[in-house]
Amino acid sequence: EADIYQTPRYLVIGTGKKITLECSQTMGHDKMYWYQQDPGMELHLIHYSYGVNSTEKGDLSSESTVSRIRTEHFPLTLESARPSHTSQYLCASSEYGGQTSIDGLNTDTQYFGPGTRLTVL
Amino acid sequence: RKEVEQDPGPFNVPEGATVAFNCTYSNSASQSFFWYRQDCRKEPKLLMSVYSSGNEDGRFTAQLNRASQYISLLIRDSKLSDSATYLCVVNDAGGGADGLTFGKGTHLIIQP
Repeated sequence: EADIYQTPRYLVIGTGKKITLECSQTMGHDKMYWYQQDPGMELHLIHYSYGVNSTEKGDLSSESTVSRIRTEHFPLTLESARPSHTSQYLCASSEYGGQTSIDGLNTDTQYFGPGTRLTVL
Repeated sequence: RKEVEQDPGPFNVPEGATVAFNCTYSNSASQSFFWYRQDCRKEPKLLMSVYSSGNEDGRFTAQLNRASQYISLLIRDSKLSDSATYLCVVNDAGGGADGLTFGKGTHLIIQP
């Protein structure tokens, strides 16, 4: 089992509130990610980080922001929640450039947290 | 645009049968490949990496065909617990986060 944690697991909140979704991992992984996934739909990368003080935007535009002050911690913040933000948010981590398979392929495995299911009323 | 295509299914398969599904990818420079499993309302979990020579883990076999740009997953003697969505994941950029592309998943239902 991967040691990556997310809190809260479920959050129901009113429009306009500021929220922070927490993600932490104890594996010492350099790379961390945030994905957004609606029910029955594919994962969309919204933010990622290569390490401390590194943050990048993903493929899907998002009004959220992230920070990476410590290796193990990668919180995601929504300054003003809206109903369109209702979704599941999944955090993941992987070792940066760590692994290769027997045939030299990069096997940079991502491990996912349990997710935060956010509902904005 | 990098693309990873999967048949969304659902594949309805009787228990004990063998089932296989493919995933095609558009970027010939893709470097690494994975199958993840995602149960309903849960997080994706790594099922297996896919090596050039193919690999097998119990009832599961993964194959990579670089010439035709697809990977496959074969499940033998399927169990009810195999019911899930199987995600194909392709990494294009040597480990860079922006190189990781997830397919939409193939929904598998094993019926008693």
